[in-house]
Amino acid sequence: ETGVTQTPRHLVMGMTNKKSLKCEQHLGHNAMYWYKQSAKKPLELMFVYNFKEQTENNSVPSRFSPECPNSSHLFLHLHTLQPEDSALYLCASSQDIGSGGYEQYFGPGTRLTVT
Amino acid sequence: LAKTTQPISMDSYEGQEVNITCSHNNIATNDYITWYQQFPSQGPRFIIQGYKTKVTNEVASLFIPADRKSSTLSLPRVSLSDTAVYYCLVAQQRLAFGKGNQVVVIP
Repeated sequence: ETGVTQTPRHLVMGMTNKKSLKCEQHLGHNAMYWYKQSAKKPLELMFVYNFKEQTENNSVPSRFSPECPNSSHLFLHLHTLQPEDSALYLCASSQDIGSGGYEQYFGPGTRLTVT
Repeated sequence: LAKTTQPISMDSYEGQEVNITCSHNNIATNDYITWYQQFPSQGPRFIIQGYKTKVTNEVASLFIPADRKSSTLSLPRVSLSDTAVYYCLVAQQRLAFGKGNQVVVIP
C-alpha cells in the first residue's frame, strides 16, 4: 500500500459515456498528478496540481477534464473518449513540486477500456 | 528540460548484482536523481533518490559521479521478483519518465 488509492480499478465505457476516475491520497501531500500509460509505452504526464491549483496541462485533449477539490482528492472526468484512450491511468502524489527532488507515490491505476 | 537516456533492456542471472545506468547530460543544479521500479499493470514504486556521490538504502545503491551527468542504480543479488522496468528520473517542474530499462532476471 502506497497511501494512494484509485477507483475504479477497471472501467469499460462506450465512446458516448461520461465517467470519472477518482484518486485519494492519505499522505498529507500537496501535489497530485495524473499519468497515462498505454501498452508498451512510457508514462505520459497529463496534469499536475499543487495546493489544488493546476500547474501543468501537458496538451491533453479536452475530453479529459481534471478536478482537484482539495489536496487529498483528484478526479479525472471523461467524456466522448476514443478507443485510443484505452490505457492504464495512474494517479500520484508528492510532498510538493517546488524543490528539485521529490518522491512520487503512485496509486494502483485504473485500467480503462473504451469500446 | 533535463532528459534521461537508459539502455532499453538487460538480462541478469538470479543472485547477481545488477547495475543500471542512466545518462542525464543536461541535469540542472538543483535537480535530484530519482529511480523507480514498475511491474506490469502497476504504478511505479520509488526506489532511491540522490543528489551526488553515493546513496544506499535497504533496497539499492545509487552512484553519482562528480559531474552528475550520469548515475548508476545497483541492485545487489537480484531475485526473479526484481524483473521489472526501472526508470531514472531527473526533473524540476516537469516529469518525464522516459522508456525505462526492462530488467529480466533469469533463474
